[in-house]
Amino acid sequence: DGGITQSPKYLFRKEGQNVTLSCEQNLNHDAMYWYRQDPGQGLRLIYYSQIVNDFQKGDIAEGYSVSREKKESFPLTVTSAQKNPTAFYLCASSMPGTGLGETQYFGPGTRLLVL
Amino acid sequence: QKEVEQNSGPLSVPEGAIASLNCTYSDRGSQSFFWYRQYSGKSPELIMFIYSNGDKEDGRFTAQLNKASQYVSLLIRDSQPSDSATYICAVNYGTGNTPLVFGKGTRLSVIA
Repeated sequence: DGGITQSPKYLFRKEGQNVTLSCEQNLNHDAMYWYRQDPGQGLRLIYYSQIVNDFQKGDIAEGYSVSREKKESFPLTVTSAQKNPTAFYLCASSMPGTGLGETQYFGPGTRLLVL
Repeated sequence: QKEVEQNSGPLSVPEGAIASLNCTYSDRGSQSFFWYRQYSGKSPELIMFIYSNGDKEDGRFTAQLNKASQYVSLLIRDSQPSDSATYICAVNYGTGNTPLVFGKGTRLSVIA
């Protein structure tokens, strides 16, 4: 069964704590992305990775870190430097190149709440 | 600044009517365009993509692209209450595996 999985579904963070959100895909997609969505707002790009062992900052990378050690996995760490982390976090991946742009597919999301 | 603009809505249509959702984008060189549907509390799911000028039909959905005017639209025929969701337009401003730029979405409400 192919797809993108994210865990956990809900995550609670205490003050000053780092937390890691998991994203795994078995679609053989080259690129993976992390977005943040706040209530009533659009999707904002945090980080993306086009190939293993390489990643680029998006529009709101401050307070977040990522790694891409395997093609299938792209975990996101929300550090204590992120002062307002409460949001819905979405992981996406995109298909191999077509030359006309890439279709992105989303995982089910992780909702992060601050205690 | 690469932008994608959508009316936030809500757009209310009666059951059985045609819902028309519109999106404009800022870069004339954009190549590919996508429509996603997002139900409340869920992640976006892809409905359609379109690359060429004109219409593309898939069931009750039709995507329309006009590159000269820099707009893309989504028509939903025979709207159902289950179509009530936020519809998000996305544009690929680059080539290869570059991130899409997303609009903020239009909330559609289909009234039974």
